[in-house]
Amino acid sequence: EADIYQTPRYLVIGTGKKITLECSQTMGHDKMYWYQQDPGMELHLIHYSYGVNSTEKGDLSSESTVSRIRTEHFPLTLESARPSHTSQYLCASSDDSQVSYEQYFGPGTRLTVT
Amino acid sequence: SQKIEQNSEALNIQEGKTATLTCNYTNYSPAYLQWYRQDPGRGPVFLLLIRENEKEKRKERLKVTFDTTLKQSLFHITASQPADSATYLCALVGNTGKLIFGQGTTLQVKP
Repeated sequence: EADIYQTPRYLVIGTGKKITLECSQTMGHDKMYWYQQDPGMELHLIHYSYGVNSTEKGDLSSESTVSRIRTEHFPLTLESARPSHTSQYLCASSDDSQVSYEQYFGPGTRLTVT
Repeated sequence: SQKIEQNSEALNIQEGKTATLTCNYTNYSPAYLQWYRQDPGRGPVFLLLIRENEKEKRKERLKVTFDTTLKQSLFHITASQPADSATYLCALVGNTGKLIFGQGTTLQVKP
């Protein structure tokens, strides 16, 4: 099992609410990622970070924002949730020194916006 | 734009047989290609990486091939078991280490 954690695992919330999805890893990895995945579909990169105070938007446009104040913590925030944000959100991390480019994934947060 | 295609239809095979999954890509020349396993409600788990200069890679009952001319990777599970039932994702590795995923193929191994 990878040492990467996401909370909550499931979240049902009403439209307009502000939410923060938590992601933490204890492996000391510099690189961290957020993906969005709909059922039966591919993972789409929405945010990534190469280290503390470094964040970039991914290939899929997202209204969410992220921050990276500590190496181990990479939270994702939605200021005003909408039904279109309903999806599975997966957090991952990787170690630059690994030649396999392996990414370690958390269990995911399944978000439903009503 | 870059595109990765995996069989969208589920693959159903009998226990003990070899499962073969296909990953095709266009508009990209990756130096590396990865395969992951994803179980329902879980995050993907890394299985194998193959480099562009490697034709084949093996790990226990798993075998991956990489044909950069055909722009295709094949993923084989020999002597398949019901516990191998899962969705298998291929991913191209970009220059910065970012991954581009296919949508995955669901494998069902029946006893």
